[in-house]
Amino acid sequence: AQSVSQHNHHVILSEAASLELGCNYSYGGTVNLFWYVQYPGQHLQLLLKYFSGDPLVKGIKGFEAEFIKSKFSFNLRKPSVQWSDTAEYFCAVTTMEYGNKLVFGAGTILRVKS
Amino acid sequence: DVKVTQSSRYLVKRTGEKVFLECVQDMDHENMFWYRQDPGLGLRLIYFSYDVKMKEKGDIPEGYSVSREKKERFSLILESASTNQTSMYLCASTLRGPNGYTFGSGTRLTVV
Repeated sequence: AQSVSQHNHHVILSEAASLELGCNYSYGGTVNLFWYVQYPGQHLQLLLKYFSGDPLVKGIKGFEAEFIKSKFSFNLRKPSVQWSDTAEYFCAVTTMEYGNKLVFGAGTILRVKS
Repeated sequence: DVKVTQSSRYLVKRTGEKVFLECVQDMDHENMFWYRQDPGLGLRLIYFSYDVKMKEKGDIPEGYSVSREKKERFSLILESASTNQTSMYLCASTLRGPNGYTFGSGTRLTVV
């Protein structure tokens, strides 16, 4: 079965620090990859997605992610975080073989200190 | 924008009660999903539906059932609530194919 691993459950950064959140998935076929964000008290929102093409994907709010097929990874990055980026971040994957159902990682809670 | 509306933001129910969680989407999406979200476990799929009157089990269906009588509405039913079903429940919908989902705001259910 497909699974998604997020390396860190809690990350604490100071404002202006660079961010990289790790995500690895366990499926050898064609995948579609997503990063979602959940701000405190709010619903899950799509940050960015990768279906095909350029493996460097840009999303909202200055986030980007790079798909590295050989490493089964889809890490999320932001060059300079802000206090407002404090949230929980979820990596997720769909595959045609799994009926395009989203499989989520456990999430990474990011706290940005002002 | 697609809206996915969950009827209750917070619910407190007693052990053994039958609980209904309602979800409505307004963009004619075929696919609807129920997840539960628990700290350190992420989101886990309970049930999903690809069309009216169709339902399929997700990864953790035990203790739950669903109903989809109309395309826009997908209900999650806890037949006899237990304390281990205390959780945040999220509904989502999407068009067919590998699209990103739209999520509702969630229902935080506490079973006492």
